[in-house]
Amino acid sequence: EAQVTQNPRYLITVTGKKLTVTCSQNMNHEYMSWYRQDPGLGLRQIYYSMNVEVTDKGDVPEGYKVSRKEKRNFPLILESPSPNQTSLYFCASSYTGHTDTQYFGPGTRLTVL
Amino acid sequence: SQQGEEDPQALSIQEGENATMNCSYKTSINNLQWYRQNSGRGLVHLILIRSNEREKHSGRLRVTLDTSKKSSSLLITASRAADTASYFCATPYSGTYKYIFGTGTRLKVLA
Repeated sequence: EAQVTQNPRYLITVTGKKLTVTCSQNMNHEYMSWYRQDPGLGLRQIYYSMNVEVTDKGDVPEGYKVSRKEKRNFPLILESPSPNQTSLYFCASSYTGHTDTQYFGPGTRLTVL
Repeated sequence: SQQGEEDPQALSIQEGENATMNCSYKTSINNLQWYRQNSGRGLVHLILIRSNEREKHSGRLRVTLDTSKKSSSLLITASRAADTASYFCATPYSGTYKYIFGTGTRLKVLA
């Protein structure tokens, strides 16, 4: 089944404790992206990747890191999480990134205390 | 940031009625996409309309695009309770891989 998977789905952590949210897709998509969703703000793009080893900042990259060492995986790293990073996070992928639609993962609900 | 805007923010209708949602954006675009999100879950793609298209249909969905006004609308005809969800428009900044999403319209269809 074609899908985007994220882990963990739920995470409660404390300020400053490094964490990684994994994202994997099995559709051989070139493009992958991370978003955060906050009430009243819709989805905001954090980082995106056009291909292996090629990444770029979205609208809200501060406090996040990403890497794209393999085509199928695009982990999101929070080196020192803070409470303002409490949010619902989505990973998405697509073939080209700007001419076709995105497939979304189920989301990761992160709470930073 | 150049966030898209959707209106209305919330819409409540009776089953069988039509629902119309509007999206405005600020940049030139290559295409505009509509997504649906059931409460707190992942987004599901509904329809993509390219900048050289004015109207597109998919089942009970009809999307229009007016690039001169930088706006798009999504019409759901003969709505059902199962259409209750949030609807978002999204578009890549023209010539880039960076995406803007609208703030969404929460649709509630009453049975």
